[in-house]
Amino acid sequence: GAVVSQHPSRVICKSGTSVKIECRSLDFQATTMFWYRQFPKKSLMLMATSNEGSKATYEQGVEKDKFLINHASLTLSTLTVTSAHPEDSSFYICSARDNSQGAINGYTFGSGTRLTVV
Amino acid sequence: GNSVTQMEGPVTLSEEAFLTINCTYTATGYPSLFWYVQYPGEGLQLLLKATKADDKGSNKGFEATYRKETTSFHLEKGSVQVSDSAVYFCALGGGTSYGKLTFGQGTILTVHP
Repeated sequence: GAVVSQHPSRVICKSGTSVKIECRSLDFQATTMFWYRQFPKKSLMLMATSNEGSKATYEQGVEKDKFLINHASLTLSTLTVTSAHPEDSSFYICSARDNSQGAINGYTFGSGTRLTVV
Repeated sequence: GNSVTQMEGPVTLSEEAFLTINCTYTATGYPSLFWYVQYPGEGLQLLLKATKADDKGSNKGFEATYRKETTSFHLEKGSVQVSDSAVYFCALGGGTSYGKLTFGQGTILTVHP
């Protein structure tokens, strides 16, 4: 089945530095990928929709200059947390939609990245 | 806009007990409905889905029926196992929110031997 690889699974960084998280669709093409943030014991909050070859669409309240998204190919989207602060510590999860499956079947999630900013 | 409401947890059961996790939704158009499961420290895995009214999704002994009249998609399992302990998320997607998933708040399930 469809597999999405997310890397790294865990990262600890110093406050003020930037961190890049990669999301790859391994065996399918994904024009659209989604980035979610999950707070402890909370649900997933959609941050942005990443579109291959164009600018990402950010949800209300999400700082686009803080969370940079690049979707340069049909199999890779990256989320860069710039100038990270402790309040950015969270679990980030990406999801990719298989172009060939459509919206009904195509949501596959990565295994998540635990970001800790110290 | 779209929204999903799940029963609050945590839910604690003994092995072989019957499980129900309630999920109701509001949506425009004709969304698809999903249940996802998240094991500790991992991402989400699709458990089951239903794409239209009266569809029943099923997988690994879990099942849920898309009830348009009650706008519900309750998750059930007749006999839970310790390995079912996880967080369960109800979600909707498609319809007029094409491409986006809207999640419920998640329900923590703990099954004791």
